[in-house]
Amino acid sequence: KNQVEQSPQSLIILEGKNCTLQCNYTVSPFSNLRWYKQDTGRGPVSLTIMTFSENTKSNGRYTATLDADTKQSSLHITASQLSDSASYICVVSDRGSTLGRLYFGRGTQLTVWP
Amino acid sequence: EADIYQTPRYLVIGTGKKITLECSQTMGHDKMYWYQQDPGMELHLIHYSYGVNSTEKGDLSSESTVSRIRTEHFPLTLESARPSHTSQYLCASSEYRGESPLHFGNGTRLTVT
Repeated sequence: KNQVEQSPQSLIILEGKNCTLQCNYTVSPFSNLRWYKQDTGRGPVSLTIMTFSENTKSNGRYTATLDADTKQSSLHITASQLSDSASYICVVSDRGSTLGRLYFGRGTQLTVWP
Repeated sequence: EADIYQTPRYLVIGTGKKITLECSQTMGHDKMYWYQQDPGMELHLIHYSYGVNSTEKGDLSSESTVSRIRTEHFPLTLESARPSHTSQYLCASSEYRGESPLHFGNGTRLTVT
């Protein structure tokens, strides 16, 4: 069964600290992995998309890594800011069909305290 | 910055009523989607479209229907709302190529009493 599991479910950190969010998946055949940020009351916003051949991709203070062999990804946030408080969603796309199907994780709820 | 718009943002309605959730995008994207999201849960695909006059059911059709008469417009209709339809509904669009990111609207929060 194709699944995407995220950990931790929730996380609280102090402003300025770094943190790492985890995503494990069983989706096969794999096409790409995406990280989205969802602020409360808003729609998700894309942070990164990584294909099979990419193992690191950065977007400002956000760095995503992908290990396609172990089917794991992480999202590292550097020097956290209050505005980083949000839910971070991992999404994996398969290549089972021409246009791919998306499998969503339940998200990690990050809270940054001053 | 949003180029995809959903209305209304909030809707409270009684059981049995017919409602239409509106979604429009100005990016010329061929692919559009409707997702349902409950707190702490993953997004579930309700309907999707790959272009004008193309619509498909997702995992959760939830007694709803969609239409795609114009590229930019993808409304979702519930013929008879029930309390189990209470949820957040997110519309999204993307370019046709498989690695394109989804662009989401800010959602409609529906409450059925």
